[in-house]
Amino acid sequence: GAGVSQSPSNKVTEKGKDVELRCDPISGHTALYWYRQSLGQGLEFLIYFQGNSAPDKSGLPSDRFSAERTGGSVSTLTIQRTQQEDSAVYLCASSKGTSGSGTQYFGPGTRLLVL
Amino acid sequence: RKEVEQDPGPFNVPEGATVAFNCTYSNSASQSFFWYRQDCRKEPKLLMSVYSSGNEDGRFTAQLNRASQYISLLIRDSKLSDSATYLCVVRSPNAGKSTFGDGTTLTVKP
Repeated sequence: GAGVSQSPSNKVTEKGKDVELRCDPISGHTALYWYRQSLGQGLEFLIYFQGNSAPDKSGLPSDRFSAERTGGSVSTLTIQRTQQEDSAVYLCASSKGTSGSGTQYFGPGTRLLVL
Repeated sequence: RKEVEQDPGPFNVPEGATVAFNCTYSNSASQSFFWYRQDCRKEPKLLMSVYSSGNEDGRFTAQLNRASQYISLLIRDSKLSDSATYLCVVRSPNAGKSTFGDGTTLTVKP
């Protein structure tokens, strides 16, 4: 079946502009995660959605970052007033299990470059 | 101290070699453990879950030591295609947040 999809695959923007990154999880997966991976670094947790529960936003690095998940499916990560240090690959993952116990399946990521 | 720490690597081994990676975690309440594999410029993919009793999948063996709070991954008879970065993942109970290690890079050479 279809895996996790993300769009755009690449995004180049100018410092100070806002960007929106989209994630379509696997159908039926109740949990959705956003991570950030800088070049040569590990994955940094950003935010986690589980069903209708309040999201775990503990990983968002600043108030310029926000995310929402509409209808328990598609999610959008928004970065306002982008900075050069926001340049990274933004990865979305979804899982089937409750309480975050399921295997996470990752999308191909969005490569963001802030000039 | 990081929540999850891995051997920094890189590991450069010849084909056919056996190689082992370790990963330590700081939260004793952690319940779920995984090894993911990430190829260059690709997304991470699950390699295997790690069970308390240890588990094997072909040439790959994962072990968990709760007392010492570490997990390991053993790769036997290394193949060129095993070259990748291996990520250790730890998840706490009833928490969606997963903590990833920074990864260990393996290069298998002919």
